[in-house]
Amino acid sequence: NAGVTQTPKFRVLKTGQSMTLLCAQDMNHEYMYWYRQDPGMGLRLIHYSVGEGTTAKGEVPDGYNVSRLKKQNFLLGLESAAPSQTSVYFCASTLTGLAGDYTGELFFGEGSRLTVL
Amino acid sequence: QKEVEQDPGPLSVPEGAIVSLNCTYSNSAFQYFMWYRQYSRKGPELLMYTYSSGNKEDGRFTAQVDKSSKYISLFIRDSQPSDSATYLCAMNLYSGASKIIFGSGTRLSIRP
Repeated sequence: NAGVTQTPKFRVLKTGQSMTLLCAQDMNHEYMYWYRQDPGMGLRLIHYSVGEGTTAKGEVPDGYNVSRLKKQNFLLGLESAAPSQTSVYFCASTLTGLAGDYTGELFFGEGSRLTVL
Repeated sequence: QKEVEQDPGPLSVPEGAIVSLNCTYSNSAFQYFMWYRQYSRKGPELLMYTYSSGNKEDGRFTAQVDKSSKYISLFIRDSQPSDSATYLCAMNLYSGASKIIFGSGTRLSIRP
């Protein structure tokens, strides 16, 4: 059981280049998320999806796009990378649940470290 | 003002000490409160989860929620070097809520 897998794990881009981060989960979770983590800023939500074919903006969506064409995959795209997008990106997924069995547990990948020069 | 505030630390304590980690929040509608632990270069993992107010204990860890003060705490008893990590509080409105809001994390170091 792989859980949440992110690819690539490391990437260096030049300003203006584009790239896509792939997140795959094998737990049949409905909700998927992309966060970025910067020193002193904690985890900030970029975009999220509540099901196949749906996406929504989070706290810091500018400069990013996402797609959820398959339930198990959630893609994060940078169309024109900027140095401000240098960060560690985390994908996460979770089940929804009734109040009785909800645990609030997000399952995270190991992160993708992106540097934009 | 951030919805969730957390002292970033770093916090360094000797092995065996009791550690207290805290978060404050501004949205009184939050009902689900969580603590995640993140080791260096890893993704966060759920450590404790609490619904509404009260205490929850799991081994050496105790989570407290005081909704009247909008304040949550995580206590670690008999701290171990393996507890050295960043601890993030998190919360959301209801069980089906799509957004989970995180604090900025407190970096904790336990000295042997």
